[in-house]
Amino acid sequence: AQSVTQLDSQVPVFEEAPVELRCNYSSSVSVYLFWYVQYPNQGLQLLLKYLSGSTLVKGINGFEAEFNKSQTSFHLRKPSVHISDTAEYFCAVSRGSRFGNEKLTFGTGTRLTIIP
Amino acid sequence: NAGVMQNPRHLVRRRGQEARLRCSPMKGHSHVYWYRQLPEEGLKFMVYLQKENIIDESGMPKERFSAEFPKEGPSILRIQQVVRGDSAAYFCASSPFRGDEAFFGQGTRLTVV
Repeated sequence: AQSVTQLDSQVPVFEEAPVELRCNYSSSVSVYLFWYVQYPNQGLQLLLKYLSGSTLVKGINGFEAEFNKSQTSFHLRKPSVHISDTAEYFCAVSRGSRFGNEKLTFGTGTRLTIIP
Repeated sequence: NAGVMQNPRHLVRRRGQEARLRCSPMKGHSHVYWYRQLPEEGLKFMVYLQKENIIDESGMPKERFSAEFPKEGPSILRIQQVVRGDSAAYFCASSPFRGDEAFFGQGTRLTVV
């Protein structure tokens, strides 16, 4: 079984400042890793995913994440945030197999608030 | 191409009533997944269905909960005799093929009073 920990439930950041949202996972098997964003009153949207290959993954809206196997982490970063980045961000993990992402395990989410 | 449509968006039920949550997958998608988000928790997998088949229901509570995805029409998550602990956001996702990226709907917020 897999588990995900998002230690920060809320992160306030000034506009144009950098941000890092932390995600740690636990698994006894290889994993796939995902970050989703949920804007107010909308469904979850995939930001980026790590399946294999380069440990630095680039996603939409200027976000990127780095897979660190030794630290079992998959932190999300953006060098300069905008007001429009205000949302809830979810880290998720699945078994690292062909059909692994049929069943995602999510963290509790981090609410990112951008301060003008 | 419309996204995954869930209805109703908000549902209020009294204890003991039945709740029916509907999910219309994206056009061309034949795989549906249901997740539940309890207050202050992450989304938890409930069930994975393909047209007319339940593939994985390992996350479904043993009693009162059922899901179907008929050949025609939306997928339905049914909760019988609801209790206060069933209050949560229920999300549906769909994908075109097994193992493909799943696209999520906006969720149904169920409140049991």
